[in-house]
Amino acid sequence: EAGVAQSPRYKIIEKRQSVAFWCNPISGHATLYWYQQILGQGPKLLIQFQNNGVVDDSQLPKDRFSAERLKGVDSTLKIQPAKLEDSAVYLCASSWSMGIAYEQYFGPGTRLTVT
Amino acid sequence: GQQVMQIPQYQHVQEGEDFTTYCNSSTTLSNIQWYKQRPGGHPVFLIQLVKSGEVKKQKRLTFQFGEAKKNSSLHITATQTTDVGTYFCAALRYGQNFVFGPGTRLSVLP
Repeated sequence: EAGVAQSPRYKIIEKRQSVAFWCNPISGHATLYWYQQILGQGPKLLIQFQNNGVVDDSQLPKDRFSAERLKGVDSTLKIQPAKLEDSAVYLCASSWSMGIAYEQYFGPGTRLTVT
Repeated sequence: GQQVMQIPQYQHVQEGEDFTTYCNSSTTLSNIQWYKQRPGGHPVFLIQLVKSGEVKKQKRLTFQFGEAKKNSSLHITATQTTDVGTYFCAALRYGQNFVFGPGTRLSVLP
């Protein structure tokens, strides 16, 4: 089966600019996650969707980050305006469902550098 | 909030030596997952542990969930260069979402 797709793979922007990332999960996966992984750290959950509804966005910096999954499939994550500390890899993951935990399938990530 | 610790942070071993990483939570967990991330890659699911005291094996890898469901370990027997990477535990607390540990970075010297 095709894996989780993400684009772009790399992005360099200046601080205060905006940026958007796209994720296409594995077909049929109802749950979609966005993680931020700073170099040398574990992934940190930003937001979790179940179909097109938000389940958990408690760690999403809502003053600058937004995410949507309008049709319950693809998702976009936006940062506006970016700060230097947003430099990280943004990972998208999907799983069949939630509740009893299912394994998460990760995409290749988008490496963001903010200068 | 929920704290998930992993030790050691780094481990350098000679090929053929054993390796163990430990994951500790401050709270009782529903279940725990382990992931491996190769350098430059993305996390890949290895295993999920659910039951107290559970032990699972995958070839040279042995995973254990503590009796109190607050800690877990991953043991690799006779490491190979293909084992290089960072090993993360992801802890799930009842009614909450997964929290990833900081990871243990393993390097294997040939």
